[in-house]
Amino acid sequence: RKEVEQDPGPFNVPEGATVAFNCTYSNSASQSFFWYRQDCRKEPKLLMSVYSSGNEDGRFTAQLNRASQYISLLIRDSKLSDSATYLCVVNPRTGGFKTIFGAGTRLFVKA
Amino acid sequence: DVKVTQSSRYLVKRTGEKVFLECVQDMDHENMFWYRQDPGLGLRLIYFSYDVKMKEKGDIPEGYSVSREKKERFSLILESASTNQTSMYLCASFKGQALPQYFGPGTRLTVL
Repeated sequence: RKEVEQDPGPFNVPEGATVAFNCTYSNSASQSFFWYRQDCRKEPKLLMSVYSSGNEDGRFTAQLNRASQYISLLIRDSKLSDSATYLCVVNPRTGGFKTIFGAGTRLFVKA
Repeated sequence: DVKVTQSSRYLVKRTGEKVFLECVQDMDHENMFWYRQDPGLGLRLIYFSYDVKMKEKGDIPEGYSVSREKKERFSLILESASTNQTSMYLCASFKGQALPQYFGPGTRLTVL
């Protein structure tokens, strides 16, 4: 089993749709969680951190479920510019350095 | 804003050549990483460094070495480039374990 697993997609959605991605992680001691966005042939960029209480940034909402060991990203009112690959990122434990990246979920938003 | 730069965006080398990839960050981050990214395989950690002159192997260190002589600079060295090292190479840095990593723009290396 991979340490961090994501549905690779692709997700094809129309503009204005709501889309949700899940990401599961295997290490219950994982400490910090992030979502990154990566455009084609570009570097990953931090989209948002994920907190136990959940957090929202405009149209984006991230949630953490420690009991079930997954994090989620919800995108409301999808825009064409949201088309990208979304990477789930997990830092396994404090004091360690081995950040684990999911393979990414591809999203296409169509007009 | 954190700035991570890499020496080249595109590089073409021949099999057997020694290749140097450089990464520089301007935010006084202790931790620096080198990854490669291949389609379907995601990001794989090659080496990382948590301080000057310190280095640790990642998941796929074979065929690579690194150098960290100054805090802001982390170099990846391909001792003898091979075609299976054709990839996108990404450098990242961050301040502390609970904090996110910031990536450079990447170097797309082709080994012929």
